[in-house]
Amino acid sequence: KQEVTQIPAALSVPEGENLVLNCSFTDSAIYNLQWFRQDPGKGLTSLLLIQSSQREQTSGRLNASLDKSSGRSTLYIAASQPGDSATYLCAVYSNYQLIWGAGTKLIIKP
Amino acid sequence: EAGVAQSPRYKIIEKRQSVAFWCNPISGHATLYWYQQILGQGPKLLIQFQNNGVVDDSQLPKDRFSAERLKGVDSTLKIQPAKLEDSAVYLCASSSDRGAEAFFGQGTRLTVV
Repeated sequence: KQEVTQIPAALSVPEGENLVLNCSFTDSAIYNLQWFRQDPGKGLTSLLLIQSSQREQTSGRLNASLDKSSGRSTLYIAASQPGDSATYLCAVYSNYQLIWGAGTKLIIKP
Repeated sequence: EAGVAQSPRYKIIEKRQSVAFWCNPISGHATLYWYQQILGQGPKLLIQFQNNGVVDDSQLPKDRFSAERLKGVDSTLKIQPAKLEDSAVYLCASSSDRGAEAFFGQGTRLTVV
């Protein structure tokens, strides 16, 4: 059974720092992995999708990597800003289902 | 391109009442998902449609929850009767096909009192 874990559950860093969010999964047989952002009281915004054949995807200050063999993905945020404060969730598409982590709550301090 | 539309945004009902949520996916998207998200947790899949057929409803509490997708486009999710533990955000998402990038609506926050 596929399980997705995100550690830490919460992270607080000063503005301007580069940071890495982690996502691990137990079964390497995934179709793709998607990173989302969720603001309080809002729905989920898709940030990046990495196909199983890809190693990384980039969008602006965001870079997501995927290492299927080790069951890990990282989301790198460069030059963090207070507007990046949100909960970040990863989800793997496996066996025709999206399996979710519980998220990392990120706070960027001005 | 219009996103996934959901209504209402908020709903407060008493336990044992019924409630319905509506979702309009992105045009042309074949796959539609309904999720339940409890505060501090990741979304939990309730039901997945492929066009107007159900492909996964294994976690849908069928004694009280029901969902349909009319003509493979709009979808409604109903709870009858509601329980206190149904208080959550209900999210609708769509994708062009199974395994493609999923896009979410703003969600409906349900409070059962």
